[in-house]
Amino acid sequence: GESVGLHLPTLSVQEGDNSIINCAYSNSASDYFIWYKQESGKGPQFIIDIRSNMDKRQGQRVTVLLNKTVKHLSLQIAATQPGDSAVYFCAENILGYSSASKIIFGSGTRLSIRP
Amino acid sequence: KAGVTQTPRYLIKTRGQQVTLSCSPISGHRSVSWYQQTPGQGLQFLFEYFSETQRNKGNFPGRFSGRQFSNSRSEMNVSTLELGDSALYLCASSLAGGTGNTIYFGEGSWLTVV
Repeated sequence: GESVGLHLPTLSVQEGDNSIINCAYSNSASDYFIWYKQESGKGPQFIIDIRSNMDKRQGQRVTVLLNKTVKHLSLQIAATQPGDSAVYFCAENILGYSSASKIIFGSGTRLSIRP
Repeated sequence: KAGVTQTPRYLIKTRGQQVTLSCSPISGHRSVSWYQQTPGQGLQFLFEYFSETQRNKGNFPGRFSGRQFSNSRSEMNVSTLELGDSALYLCASSLAGGTGNTIYFGEGSWLTVV
């Protein structure tokens, strides 16, 4: 996998509001997508995944939307809480690839919560 | 079910030394992959092991090596450490690699080279 490590975009959200984090993926052949949350000093934590045969998938307080036409992925967090503060990044892969080396990670978005 | 476990969590080494990091995957997971994470480069794939065999290797020098044992536990080694090797080293496991099998990360090993 490869990732581009650049200056992280930051999203500042009022506590209790909804957060929307966006990700543009690069490979039109990608058909499996994952969102990870990485808190300071910790490893990335799996949040939710979605396959390309779906446009939307919901989890607990999170929803992922997939727009294959424009190669865009978004993560919506409902009623954002202080514990949601973290870096969020998406990952893309192709079903059928048997290697983790093919996973492409995004650079991430830093979500900060205003009290 | 226990998650991916990495040891040690933090370590400081001197330039020129070598270091070995350990990873225990989630029970039943046979694929272990390693990543280097730095602020400037993000997540960079190091290598992946499956059934004790290295399946893929990223663009890192030969100083970076690894292995996997029959119980799927894995180690990575970095020899002749350089200052630029300071990073968070993440291990991830999955059932059989990236094929729709979600990879789960450990908490990482923070390596500081001085």
